[in-house]
Amino acid sequence: DAKTTQPPSMDCAEGRAANLPCNHSTISGNEYVYWYRQIHSQGPQYIIHGLKNNETNEMASLIITEDRKSSTLILPHATLRDTAVYYCIVRYNNNDMRFGAGTRLTVKP
Amino acid sequence: GAGVSQSPSNKVTEKGKDVELRCDPISGHTALYWYRQSLGQGLEFLIYFQGNSAPDKSGLPSDRFSAERTGGSVSTLTIQRTQQEDSAVYLCASSQQRGVETQYFGPGTRLLVL
Repeated sequence: DAKTTQPPSMDCAEGRAANLPCNHSTISGNEYVYWYRQIHSQGPQYIIHGLKNNETNEMASLIITEDRKSSTLILPHATLRDTAVYYCIVRYNNNDMRFGAGTRLTVKP
Repeated sequence: GAGVSQSPSNKVTEKGKDVELRCDPISGHTALYWYRQSLGQGLEFLIYFQGNSAPDKSGLPSDRFSAERTGGSVSTLTIQRTQQEDSAVYLCASSQQRGVETQYFGPGTRLLVL
C-alpha cells in the first residue's frame, strides 16, 4: 500500500497561491491520489482527486508528475478560510483511505 | 442535498459505561466508513460497511468496539465499558459505492470519557 509524505506545516500569504506538495513514490498504477482538508473541529472535506492527468475544480488544481511519484495541490488565491490541515491520500489497495498527519496550512493576512 | 449526519455531536460519559454513536449516511450511498481521530492526530480507520455487511473489521481497536448497519442506511458504533483512551472524535463517511468513489464525511461525535 502506497504511503504519502507531506511537510508538517506551511504558511501562505492571503491572496497568493498555496502550493502543497506530496510524495507518493510507491504508488501503483491503479491508485488514485486524493486530497482532503480538515478545518478545526470539522469533519474532513473532499477537495479533489486524480489518477494521471492534472485536474481542476472550483476549489483547487491537482498537478501529478508524469511518473506519478509526487503531486501538488494548488489553491490559486488562498484566503484566511483556507487555513486547515490538508491530507494527501493514496487509495489503499482499492480499499479505504488511510490518512497521514497532513500539512497544516496557515494563511496569513 | 443533505450530507452525512452524526449524533450526538458531543458525548461525555463515565469510564466503564457503554456508548452508542449514530451515523446517517447520504441517501443512496451504499458504502459507510467509521474513523477515529484522537486530539491532534490523523484519522484512524475503524470499519467499513458495504450495504449491511462489514467485511473488514481489522481496524477496530478491541473487542469492546462493535458496529452494525441496518437497512443499508443508518449505522451505529458501540463502545462497551469505555476507557479514557477511547476519548476522541468519531467520524463517519459514506460513498456511493466501495472503490474509487469519493468519501463524504459527517461532522463527527466528540466523545469524552471521564
